[in-house]
This record gives sequence, structure tokens and C-alpha cells, in this order.
Amino acid sequence: AQTVTQSQPEMSVQEAETVTLSCTYDTSESDYYLFWYKQPPSRQMILVIRQEAYKQQNATENRFSVNFQKAAKSFSLKISDSQLGDAAMYFCAYRPDFGNEKLTFGTGTRLTIIP
Amino acid sequence: DGGITQSPKYLFRKEGQNVTLSCEQNLNHDAMYWYRQDPGQGLRLIYYSQIVNDFQKGDIAEGYSVSREKKESFPLTVTSAQKNPTAFYLCASSPRQESSPLHFGNGTRLTVT
Repeated sequence: AQTVTQSQPEMSVQEAETVTLSCTYDTSESDYYLFWYKQPPSRQMILVIRQEAYKQQNATENRFSVNFQKAAKSFSLKISDSQLGDAAMYFCAYRPDFGNEKLTFGTGTRLTIIP
Repeated sequence: DGGITQSPKYLFRKEGQNVTLSCEQNLNHDAMYWYRQDPGQGLRLIYYSQIVNDFQKGDIAEGYSVSREKKESFPLTVTSAQKNPTAFYLCASSPRQESSPLHFGNGTRLTVT
């Protein structure tokens, strides 16, 4: 079974600084998709960024980017120019590329932004 | 606007009672999911359905039941057999492509006393 590990339960960063959230996963598959979701205090789950495993280029979405290391099975999220609105729980998720299988989530990292 | 509606936002029940959580989507998505969220444990999959009249157990299906009679609806019943039902429940949907992310509802907080 696939597992997703987020080893940092909590992180904090000064406003306007950069922070990196870690995620590792375990799979024997070669094709899959990885996602980062944000859950603010409202508890609405919001997609932040998506990465296809067959793409070597790291995905970017404005201030959010990933460092995808397929051999190391690592998928970290970098948030640049942190803003107060970035404060949230961040979840890493994995989905294999067959059979419309489920997403498997990590346990999350709570990010605090220090003004 | 298209989206996923979960109701109610807060639900209170006495121990021993079954309770049904509603989930409706108008995104025309084939697949629907129920996740449970507890502090420090992330999201855990309860049940999912890829097509009408079919569903599969997730990682923590014991004490729960679902139905999928319509494409738009995927209600979750928390039965009295569920040992620790108090939790935050999230419903999600997606198209039947593996590259598609899940779209989530706003969740239901269930408290059983």
C-alpha cells in the first residue's frame, strides 16, 4: 500500500520569507500524481499545486513551487514571499495513474506565519 | 456555480443512534469520496464510488455505510457500530481521470455524546 509521510507537524515562517514543507511517499509504481492541498481555518480543502510523475520539470503556481525528486520519492512544497493568508494546514497527497484509485494523504503540516 | 454541498455543517447525536451525512455535487463528476479527518491523522478514506450503484470500502469503512443511487448524491451513514464517530467528515468528487484533483465540500462536524 502506498504511504505518504509529512515529518513536520508544525512549521513557522516570518512574513515575506520562504518556507519549505517536506513530503515523502512510498510506491512501487512509476506513473502517478502528487498534490499539495491547503486547509485554512475555514477547513475548506484547496488545491495548491499538482505534479505529474512523468514530468521532470517541477510544477509552479505563482508563489508556490515544488521540488520533485522521483528517485528519492520526495515532493516538497516551497512557499515564497509568505503571506498571512498562507497560514493553514498543508497536506501532501498521492494518486496512482491507473484504475481511478483513491488519493492517499499525509498527516499534514501546520504552517504559522509570523507578522 | 458548480460545487459540492455538505449538510449540515454541525451535527449532534446521542450515542447509539445512526446518523446520515449528506453530500451533493453538481459538477457532473463520476467519482465521489468520503474522508474522515481527526487531529494529527490527516484524511483517511472511508468509502468511495466511481460510478452510480457501485462503491468500494476505503481504509476505515467499519461502522459506516453508503449508497450511490444518483450521480449527484453520495450520503454517508454513521452507524451505532462506529466506535469513535466524533470527527470532521469531508466529501469530495472528481472526474474519472487519475490526473484530476479532488474537489471538496466544506465538511460536516459530527459530535456524538
